[in-house]
Amino acid sequence: GESVGLHLPTLSVQEGDNSIINCAYSNSASDYFIWYKQESGKGPQFIIDIRSNMDKRQGQRVTVLLNKTVKHLSLQIAATQPGDSAVYFCAENSGGSNYKLTFGKGTLLTVNP
Amino acid sequence: DADVTQTPRNRITKTGKRIMLECSQTKGHDRMYWYRQDPGLGLRLIYYSFDVKDINKGEISDGYSVSRQAQAKFSLSLESAIPNQTALYFCATSKQREARYEQFFGPGTRLTVL
Repeated sequence: GESVGLHLPTLSVQEGDNSIINCAYSNSASDYFIWYKQESGKGPQFIIDIRSNMDKRQGQRVTVLLNKTVKHLSLQIAATQPGDSAVYFCAENSGGSNYKLTFGKGTLLTVNP
Repeated sequence: DADVTQTPRNRITKTGKRIMLECSQTKGHDRMYWYRQDPGLGLRLIYYSFDVKDINKGEISDGYSVSRQAQAKFSLSLESAIPNQTALYFCATSKQREARYEQFFGPGTRLTVL
């Protein structure tokens, strides 16, 4: 979920388990969503995206689910590995042609070996 | 992403100093963005540019200015730095195309204002 104040939500999982990271978005007009991964000391990296006319999209070991009814987005990571440890955040495009993204505050995923 | 570079990577400066952060890209993208990242607050948009000489304010533009003199370069200036501008700064690029709005980020600049 999204953070309030100075502390990120955290998720701690065992290596090999599946991870689910959640994001609540704010704008019902948003038509495009992205998940980014940010490792310590690096810039955000694109993981997967989904348009609002879809409710599920799969990539390599990752799946994004979109529930427009409750404005909820989730990222599922299968067989989580230590290299998956990072901050994950969602971003939404609120429609129109300006191509701006609004970013969530992020969730810290820690994978224990 | 090596295709979006930022200089410097780290900078420590004093209150009142003028600072410029540079961003260069070899992706051929027309759109460029500057964000700042603070703990617990996520990425916030400072300025963005959709083409050379095109400048648009983001949600937190006060205290900052930008310049886009060439498609591949987008610089961010702090005319008179203050301590609450201490943050991580990221440049990003995107390409105008239908249906996808993904942005590609540089490695970031860590700025400390004393």
